[in-house]
Amino acid sequence: SQKIEQNSEALNIQEGKTATLTCNYTNYSPAYLQWYRQDPGRGPVFLLLIRENEKEKRKERLKVTFDTTLKQSLFHITASQPADSATYLCALDTNAGKSTFGDGTTLTVKP
Amino acid sequence: DTGVSQNPRHKITKRGQNVTFRCDPISEHNRLYWYRQTLGQGPEFLTYFQNEAQLEKSRLLSDRFSAERPKGSFSTLEIQRTEQGDSAMYLCASSTGQRYQETQYFGPGTRLLVL
Repeated sequence: SQKIEQNSEALNIQEGKTATLTCNYTNYSPAYLQWYRQDPGRGPVFLLLIRENEKEKRKERLKVTFDTTLKQSLFHITASQPADSATYLCALDTNAGKSTFGDGTTLTVKP
Repeated sequence: DTGVSQNPRHKITKRGQNVTFRCDPISEHNRLYWYRQTLGQGPEFLTYFQNEAQLEKSRLLSDRFSAERPKGSFSTLEIQRTEQGDSAMYLCASSTGQRYQETQYFGPGTRLLVL
């Protein structure tokens, strides 16, 4: 069956460190993968999109990698700040524009 | 461009009542999506529209749920005979529907509580 797994429900790190979040999937062949940020009580906010033929994408302190052989995406936040504390969702394109989301990883950055 | 808006933001209803939610997408966005999200879970796909055509509906969606997008602009999601299990955040998102512009922009959601 198709499955999307994001590493541990919660991740706690110290301010200034790099946070690494993982998204693994099985039985999908996504054309692209997206990462979203969600704050409590709010809708998800788009961060980055990476396509199947791209290995890495960067945006300011954010970096995403996509390994279609390992069926895994890594999401990095460098020089993390308490304001980065939120839930991060990965989403796979599984059918022409319809995305399937993982359950998210809640990141807490401690000052 | 004021983003995706949803109304109401919160709805409390009694079991068995009908509720209707509205979503106004970003203008000129052809695609509109509805998702449901419960605590600790990611958004779960319900249905989506390309203009006014409903292209897909989740098999998990019971017949009590119906969505419309009559003029290809705003959309409504109706839940009939609500059950306590329907309590969740209902999210709407829109996108251009164009290739290489697949990003979905989400609204703030409507939080439903069924008593």
